Parts: sequence; structure tokens; C-alpha cells
Amino acid sequence: QSALTQPASVSGSPGQSITISCTGTSSDIGNYNYVSWYRQHPGKAPQLMIYEVSNRPSGVSDRFSGSKSGNTASLTISGLQAEDESDYYCSSYTSSTAHVFGTGTKVTVL
Amino acid sequence: EVQLLESGGGLIQPGGSLRLSCAASGFTFSSYAMHWVRQAPGKGLEWVSGIISHGGSTYYADSVKGRFTISRDNSKSTLYLQMNSLRAEDTALYYCAKGRGGPARASDYWGQGTLVTVSS
Repeated sequence: QSALTQPASVSGSPGQSITISCTGTSSDIGNYNYVSWYRQHPGKAPQLMIYEVSNRPSGVSDRFSGSKSGNTASLTISGLQAEDESDYYCSSYTSSTAHVFGTGTKVTVL
Repeated sequence: EVQLLESGGGLIQPGGSLRLSCAASGFTFSSYAMHWVRQAPGKGLEWVSGIISHGGSTYYADSVKGRFTISRDNSKSTLYLQMNSLRAEDTALYYCAKGRGGPARASDYWGQGTLVTVSS
């Protein structure tokens, strides 16, 4: 099972919106609505930001939203803030091994 | 408050074995799937293994299949990962994570990790 493909880095200015893509296959993203997104600050454990494509856990800002089209999922961060600077990972359920993570995206706030 | 506390990591020679534990509290452990996820130094997250609530089904990444065994003791609210035939590429911080329900669902709580270093 290969990792899902994410851009290595995405950047934006404070207040702007950015979108991180996550591309998989018909064996994972394309066939299941179990796509999730995690944020990981340096030296910290990952934090769940989006589950089942577009749902936010309690306590996560509504500036974070998720979507999916075909084999590609997306995470959009609107009203970018300095605290959003972090690493972001997508994940999907997969028919082969159960779960697979994306390659990770470093978000930089300019 | 949900808490996950991993232990058992350390320095081990290639070919050796190690057992990781994850003590859970603050939720009904027996009702949720659990997972192990690892992160090699400076690298991304890699899902390693998962187990359903009652332990009847287990799942493994291809990279560890046949070498690692996940298990759980619901009476002790503890998750385990038995790691055999360890390789240098298994060096990583190993996280225990709680699933939101069944095995397909996301992980909503994570421990702080236990470091495994495979080196001679």
C-alpha cells in the first residue's frame, strides 16, 4: 500500500485561505468516506482535525473544512493564522491494509 | 479525560524483539478499535497495525506483516505490540491511538509515543 500523495509544502498569508490536496486511488479515498486529516506541531502527537471527509471533532475551529472528489480529498484552512503553521497529514481507510497516511504537507504562514 | 500512555520502547539490536504497551484510561476501552502508528525521525506518519474492539480482527501494514503482532487485554485496558525480527528501518516513535469506533474510523486521541531504536 503506497502512501497517499500530498504536496510537500503550502504557504499563505494571514487571513488567506489555503487548500491541501490528498490523492489516493479507487482502493482508498475513491471508495470510502473514511478520510481524515491530522495536524502535528513539532515534537507533539498528531491531532485529529477532520474525520469522515468533512466532519470536525468538538473543539476544532470551523476555519477547517474537508471535502472529497473522486480519488482526491482536500483540506481547506480559511482565515489563515500563525498558529496554523504545522504539518498536516491525510489518512484513508483502504481495502488492502486498513489505513494509509499521506506523505504530509508543511503549512507555512508568511 | 482520555489518556494513552505508551511504554516499552528502547534500544534493541537488529533481529531482536520488543513489546510495547499502551495503558488506556478515561473511556470504555473495550468499545473502540485501537491502532499503532509510527514516525521515523524526521519522517511522516506510518500506520502500523490496528485491532477491533473485542480483538477478533487485526490489521497490519505490509512493512510489518509477519513480524509484528497487535493484541489487547480489555480487562486491563491495555494495548500491546509485539515486535520481532526488528530492523533498522523500524526505528521510530511509536504512537498508540484510539479509534472513533470501528476499525475504519479515524483516531481521535493519541499518546505521546515511545521511542524504539534498532541499532547495533
